[in-house]
Amino acid sequence: SYELTQPPSLSVSPGQTASITCSGDELGNKFVSWYQQKSGQSPVLVIYRDANRPSGIPERVSGSKSGNTATLTFSVTQAIDEADYYCQVWDSGTVVFGGGTKLTVL
Amino acid sequence: QVQLQESGPGLVKPSETLSLTCTVSGASVTSGNDYWSWIRQLPGKGLEWIAFVYYGGTTYYSPSFKGRASISVDTSRGQLSLKLHSVTAADTAVYYCARGTGPFLRNHFDPWGQGTLVTVSS
Repeated sequence: SYELTQPPSLSVSPGQTASITCSGDELGNKFVSWYQQKSGQSPVLVIYRDANRPSGIPERVSGSKSGNTATLTFSVTQAIDEADYYCQVWDSGTVVFGGGTKLTVL
Repeated sequence: QVQLQESGPGLVKPSETLSLTCTVSGASVTSGNDYWSWIRQLPGKGLEWIAFVYYGGTTYYSPSFKGRASISVDTSRGQLSLKLHSVTAADTAVYYCARGTGPFLRNHFDPWGQGTLVTVSS
């Protein structure tokens, strides 16, 4: 079955750039979405179709993809960005989520 | 503004059937542009897609749940439902409904409901 690999955790200081990666086979042929899940809350879409931001998501949040790796980037990380982040794709008629990355803003 | 609200029993006995409902407001469950999904999250774990249903009642299931899950829509009530048969403690999770939008079988999920915790225990 298809797998998406994310680092389990990432720590960053406020104001720094944070980049969360998501890797998978033939990722270049798939649309990658990213979700933010704060503690005790339901997931929220932050990036869709690799690099598109839904309304309400700040410009400092961006998505990109190169080869088999997609990246979610916070250009100026803030305390409010502390959350779990999941990437997601479709493969062979099935939704696949990455294992999630816990972003800690120290 | 599209909103989704899950409801159902918080406690189900092992071997029984888990039944959940998701009430959709601000959108039509008969829209040909939307795909209505159930996704769950085991305690302290990641997200796991279960199934989706879309216009006309066509359904897609995760191989992990095929044969055990059943998803449907009630167009008159604007609701989507999930039945998961023969549950065990391993099915204890928060269950979310979510709207899928975008290209067919390449869509993203937005928004999500608040989720409902289901515990399987005798």
